[in-house]
Amino acid sequence: GESVGLHLPTLSVQEGDNSIINCAYSNSASDYFIWYKQESGKGPQFIIDIRSNMDKRQGQRVTVLLNKTVKHLSLQIAATQPGDSAVYFCAEFLTGGGNKLTFGTGTQLKVEL
Amino acid sequence: DAMVIQNPRYQVTQFGKPVTLSCSQTLNHNVMYWYQQKSSQAPKLLFHYYDKDFNNEADTPDNFQSRRPNTSFCFLDIRSPGLGDAAMYLCATSRVRDRTLAKNIQYFGAGTRLSVL
Repeated sequence: GESVGLHLPTLSVQEGDNSIINCAYSNSASDYFIWYKQESGKGPQFIIDIRSNMDKRQGQRVTVLLNKTVKHLSLQIAATQPGDSAVYFCAEFLTGGGNKLTFGTGTQLKVEL
Repeated sequence: DAMVIQNPRYQVTQFGKPVTLSCSQTLNHNVMYWYQQKSSQAPKLLFHYYDKDFNNEADTPDNFQSRRPNTSFCFLDIRSPGLGDAAMYLCATSRVRDRTLAKNIQYFGAGTRLSVL
C-alpha cells in the first residue's frame, strides 16, 4: 500500500505486504531528516534518519528514500506486521536553524490481519 | 529501561489551577525540549533548553513556563490552565555537541496527558 502523506492521513495494509509512507517536507535547505513511530498513548520513537547528502538509507525492515528535488521523503516498511500499526511522522532539521525538528503531519498506518 | 522519564503519566487539574509536569533523563543530553501534542496532530514545540540557555518559540503562550535546575531535570509549568491546554505533553532530549552539526536525534518520553476540568 502507498500513502500520499499530507493528503491521505490513513494507510491500511495487509499483514505481510510492504508499506510506503510519504512525506512532503517544507524547507529545501533542511539537511537532516528523521522518521518517528508513535503508538497510541506513547511518545514518538526513533526509527531511522538520513542526511541530505544521501538519497537512501536502510535499516532493519525499513528503508528511507530522500528526493531533494521535489522535497519528498518516504518510509518503506517491508513485510508489515501488526506491531507496525502506529502513526508515523517525518521530521526535518536545519543545521543552524535553532536545534529544532519540524514535524510533518502524521500518517496512521493500520495493519489488517 | 526508560531513559526519558515523565511524571505523572496522567494529570488532572482544574481550570486556572497551576500545574507542573516533570521530566528527567539518564542520557546526560545537553538539550531538553517540551512539546504539546493534541489529538491526531504532530508535536508542537513549546521551548527548549540548550544547556542552560532557554529558547522560547515565538507562538508559545506566556501561560507556559519552564525550568531546568540541572542537566537531568526539566519542568513545564502551566500557570493558569485553560480548557484548550488539555493535551499530551512530551519531553525530549538530544545531544548536540556542535550547533552546526547536522544531526539531531531527539529521544522522547512517554508523555503526560493533561486533562483540564
